[in-house]
Amino acid sequence: AQSVTQLGSHVSVSEGALVLLRCNYSSSVPPYLFWYVQYPNQGLQLLLKYTSAATLVKGINGFEAEFKKSETSFHLTKPSAHMSDAAEYFCAVSEYNFNKFYFGSGTKLNVKP
Amino acid sequence: NAGVTQTPKFQVLKTGQSMTLQCAQDMNHNSMYWYRQDPGMGLRLIYYSASEGTTDKGEVPNGYNVSRLNKREFSLRLESAAPSQTSVYFCASSEATGNIQYFGAGTRLSVL
Repeated sequence: AQSVTQLGSHVSVSEGALVLLRCNYSSSVPPYLFWYVQYPNQGLQLLLKYTSAATLVKGINGFEAEFKKSETSFHLTKPSAHMSDAAEYFCAVSEYNFNKFYFGSGTKLNVKP
Repeated sequence: NAGVTQTPKFQVLKTGQSMTLQCAQDMNHNSMYWYRQDPGMGLRLIYYSASEGTTDKGEVPNGYNVSRLNKREFSLRLESAAPSQTSVYFCASSEATGNIQYFGAGTRLSVL
C-alpha cells in the first residue's frame, strides 16, 4: 500500500512570506499526486494534480508543486502568503490502478498579519 | 450546480444505534467514495464504488456497509454505532477512479 508523509502538522508564516508544505510518498512506480485544501467546516477542494507531464505543476490561488522522483517528494509552495491561505492542506497519492487514494495527515497553515 | 450533497450535516447517536449517511452527486460521475477524517490522521478510505453496481473495501471498512443505489447515490450505513466511529465523514465522487475527486461538505457524527 502507498503511504504519504506530510512533515509538520502545523506551519506558521507571516503574510507575504514564502509558503512551503512538505509531502513525501512511498511508491515503486510513478504515482498520481494531488494537493487538496480544506477550509474550516468544508470539504476538500483540489489545488493541483501531477499526472506525469511537467514536473512543476501550477494550481489555483498561486500555489505550485514540484515532483521530484529521486526524492519521492511533491512539496507545495507559494511565493507570498495571503491571509486567505490559512487552511489545512492535504497531500494525496493514487495507486497505479487508480482505485484508491491515500491521504497524508494534513498540515494546518497559519498566516500571521 | 449542487455537486456532492451529503445528509445529514450533523448527527448524534447512542452506542448500538444504526443510521445511514446519504450522498448524492449530480455530475454524472462513475466513481464514488466514503472517507472518515480524524484529527492527525488525514482522510481514510472506508469504501468506494468504481462504477454503478460495484463496491469495494477501502482502508477501514469494519463496522460499515455501503450501497450504490444508482449512479447518483452512494450510502454508508452504520449497523451498530460505536464511540470509535465518532468522526467527520466525507463523500466524494470522480469521473473515473484516479481522477480528481469532488467532496461533499461532510457529516459530523458523534457516538455517545
